[in-house]
Amino acid sequence: RKEVEQDPGPFNVPEGATVAFNCTYSNSASQSFFWYRQDCRKEPKLLMSVYSSGNEDGRFTAQLNRASQYISLLIRDSKLSDSATYLCVVNKAGFQKLVFGTGTRLLVSP
Amino acid sequence: DTAVSQTPKYLVTQMGNDKSIKCEQNLGHDTMYWYKQDSKKFLKIMFSYNNKELIINETVPNRFSPKSPDKAHLNLHINSLELGDSAVYFCASSQDPNTEAFFGQGTRLTVV
Repeated sequence: RKEVEQDPGPFNVPEGATVAFNCTYSNSASQSFFWYRQDCRKEPKLLMSVYSSGNEDGRFTAQLNRASQYISLLIRDSKLSDSATYLCVVNKAGFQKLVFGTGTRLLVSP
Repeated sequence: DTAVSQTPKYLVTQMGNDKSIKCEQNLGHDTMYWYKQDSKKFLKIMFSYNNKELIINETVPNRFSPKSPDKAHLNLHINSLELGDSAVYFCASSQDPNTEAFFGQGTRLTVV
């Protein structure tokens, strides 16, 4: 099983749609979870941290399910500018490093 | 004002050459990293330094040698470049190894 697994997509959605991505992780002792966004030919940028209680930032909502070992990202009212690759990131407990998923590509069309 | 800066942005070189990439962060972070992103876009950690000490070396060929002269800098030297080294190399930093990392703009290395 991969340490961090994501559906590569692409997810093709129209503007205004709601889209959700899931990510599963293998290490039950992981404590830190993040979503990053990477635009084409750019560096990954932190989108949001994921907390146990879930958190929301504008149109973006992140959830953590420890029992099933997955995190999710919900994007409401998609904008063209949301088109990017979304990377799920989890710390590898005991190894002092972050592990990146392969990313889920989102394409928002007019 | 760039938080994590790396140079050069582009590097085109011939096989067998030696090259260096420099990285600096002004965030006051203790941990710095080198990541490699290959043509399949998979982002993989290569090295991690915490307070100038190497804490992770992910089975990277010893042609790759990181050097951290101080907490704010982590450079990457590559000897005898090979075609397969062509990739985008990202420097990053974080407060500690389990917190969010901030990335430089990347160095696109092409070996011909």
